[in-house]
Amino acid sequence: DAGVTQSPTHLIKTRGQQVTLRCSPKSGHDTVSWYQQALGQGPQFIFQYYEEEERQRGNFPDRFSGHQFPNYSSELNVNALLLGDSALYLCASSLGTGQFTYAQYFGPGTRLTVT
Amino acid sequence: QKEVEQNSGPLSVPEGAIASLNCTYSDRGSQSFFWYRQYSGKSPELIMFIYSNGDKEDGRFTAQLNKASQYVSLLIRDSQPSDSATYLCAVNMYNYGQNFVFGPGTRLSVLP
Repeated sequence: DAGVTQSPTHLIKTRGQQVTLRCSPKSGHDTVSWYQQALGQGPQFIFQYYEEEERQRGNFPDRFSGHQFPNYSSELNVNALLLGDSALYLCASSLGTGQFTYAQYFGPGTRLTVT
Repeated sequence: QKEVEQNSGPLSVPEGAIASLNCTYSDRGSQSFFWYRQYSGKSPELIMFIYSNGDKEDGRFTAQLNKASQYVSLLIRDSQPSDSATYLCAVNMYNYGQNFVFGPGTRLSVLP
């Protein structure tokens, strides 16, 4: 049973550039959520995709956008990178959405460094 | 502001002891609660989830939930050095514009 996969593992970008991160959910899951985790902090919710639509969004600017494909995989795009965007970006998949959503399972993450 | 709070630690316990990790949350309407373990440089790994008031046991781990007090805890019995990690409490606050809200995590150190 394949778990959540993310690519790339590490990425170094220059301030002002754009980046795309990718995620494939765990087999049988249809919902993908993205998180940003700065060093020493808990993950911060960016947004969630279900049925190819953004369903929930956290307190992140419009520079952060995403997409979900018919096979449930997802992309996170960040435009006009800032130094403060340097973090571990985590993708989590789950089955369904809502108040009684099942548990979320995390991928290995993408470490983004902005110089 | 919907929040999840945890003691940042570090919490140090001797090998074989019981480690007690605590979490409080601000949204009284929350219904599902999760504990994750995160080793340094790795992604969070699900340990347990709990939906109902009371205790839920899984091996050496016990999750305790008290919705009236807005409090959830994780007990680790017979702590091992391999349990040394950061433990994250997550609350599903779906009805308040966010999905999972994570606490800052508690760093646990189990001393041999």
